[in-house]
Amino acid sequence: DVKVTQSSRYLVKRTGEKVFLECVQDMDHENMFWYRQDPGLGLRLIYFSYDVKMKEKGDIPEGYSVSREKKERFSLILESASTNQTSMYLCASSRSHGRLYGYTFGSGTRLTVV
Amino acid sequence: DAKTTQPTSMDCAEGRAANLPCNHSTISGNEYVYWYRQIHSQGPQYIIHGLKNNETNEMASLIITEDRKSSTLILPHATLRDTAVYYCIVRGNDYKLSFGAGTTVTVRA
Repeated sequence: DVKVTQSSRYLVKRTGEKVFLECVQDMDHENMFWYRQDPGLGLRLIYFSYDVKMKEKGDIPEGYSVSREKKERFSLILESASTNQTSMYLCASSRSHGRLYGYTFGSGTRLTVV
Repeated sequence: DAKTTQPTSMDCAEGRAANLPCNHSTISGNEYVYWYRQIHSQGPQYIIHGLKNNETNEMASLIITEDRKSSTLILPHATLRDTAVYYCIVRGNDYKLSFGAGTTVTVRA
């Protein structure tokens, strides 16, 4: 069964910590995405990557960075975690001609920053 | 990308067909209609997508009107496990999917 795996289901971090959220896909997809989901705001795109070492900002990149050193892995980095980054984080992947294919999402990481 | 309008919520009886409407009156010729659903505390799940022809897969059917300004997702025999938030998304050449508020579907026994 093809899947997108996020390393942690629940995570609690302290304000100011550097936080790494990891995502791995086994479908050889070119595109990978990081979204965050908050009540009343829906899913918002943080960053995406269409190839190894390539990245583009989404709608809300401030306070985040990403890394894609290998095709199957896309990491989201919170440089200095803040309480307003408490959220559900969702990773997704798709084929390169993504308009013709659906996205596959991971199960999400619920991050709490205290 | 064109915006979509969906009802906030709807109920459906178990075993009956669930028909979920979506309006996308500003859709342009190269934009696809996608449907996803999100079961509580899980990531969104792809259901189906189409351009102008009706589509069917093992999960659902997608009916797109001839003018493409609206569509209907049909779950032919709803089960309790179909209770979820359903998102209708219109997408063009952009990489990203823009999710709205969706329709909260509650399937009742």
